Amino acid sequence: RKEVEQDPGPFNVPEGATVAFNCTYSNSASQSFFWYRQDCRKEPKLLMSVYSSGNEDGRFTAQLNRASQYISLLIRDSKLSDSATYLCVVRDSSYKLIFGSGTRLLVRP
Amino acid sequence: ETGVTQSPTHLIKTRGQQVTLRCSSQSGHNTVSWYQQALGQGPQFIFQYYREEENGRGNFPPRFSGLQFPNYSSELNVNALELDDSALYLCASSWGGRAGTGELFFGEGSRLTVL
Repeated sequence: RKEVEQDPGPFNVPEGATVAFNCTYSNSASQSFFWYRQDCRKEPKLLMSVYSSGNEDGRFTAQLNRASQYISLLIRDSKLSDSATYLCVVRDSSYKLIFGSGTRLLVRP
Repeated sequence: ETGVTQSPTHLIKTRGQQVTLRCSSQSGHNTVSWYQQALGQGPQFIFQYYREEENGRGNFPPRFSGLQFPNYSSELNVNALELDDSALYLCASSWGGRAGTGELFFGEGSRLTVL
């Protein structure tokens, strides 16, 4: 079983749609959680950290459920520029960052 | 622009050869991590250097080695290259080693092809 699992997609949605991605992690001792965004043939960039109480940054909302060991990302009012791969990232107890394989999002006009 | 630069951007090697990849970290950062990203996969942690010492390693064989220099720049060396080593190698700069926030600033990567 992979340490961090994501649905690879692609999720193909129209502009303006709301889309949600989930991610599960296997290590209950994991310490912190992030979503990174990676554009095609580019480097990953931090989108947002994920806090236990949930957090929002504009159109993006992240949630953490420690009991069920899953993390979610909700994108409202999708834009064409949101098309990218979204990487779920977990920091384990040895402080390593473990990346999921990513979920690909395609936003169409 | 993250301020993290990697070289070379692309290179082709043959099986059994050795390769050295270089990374200059962002100003003010004292930690460098290296990741391997195969096509269609997420980045896989190779190792991390903090203040010139390795302070974390992933599941990679000893033929993957590294260095960090006093100016916090870093090298990744891979010996006895195998076909499966073909990947994008990403360097990530951060501050604070294990005590850091976990936010990484990635370079654009070095794309290695092994024939």
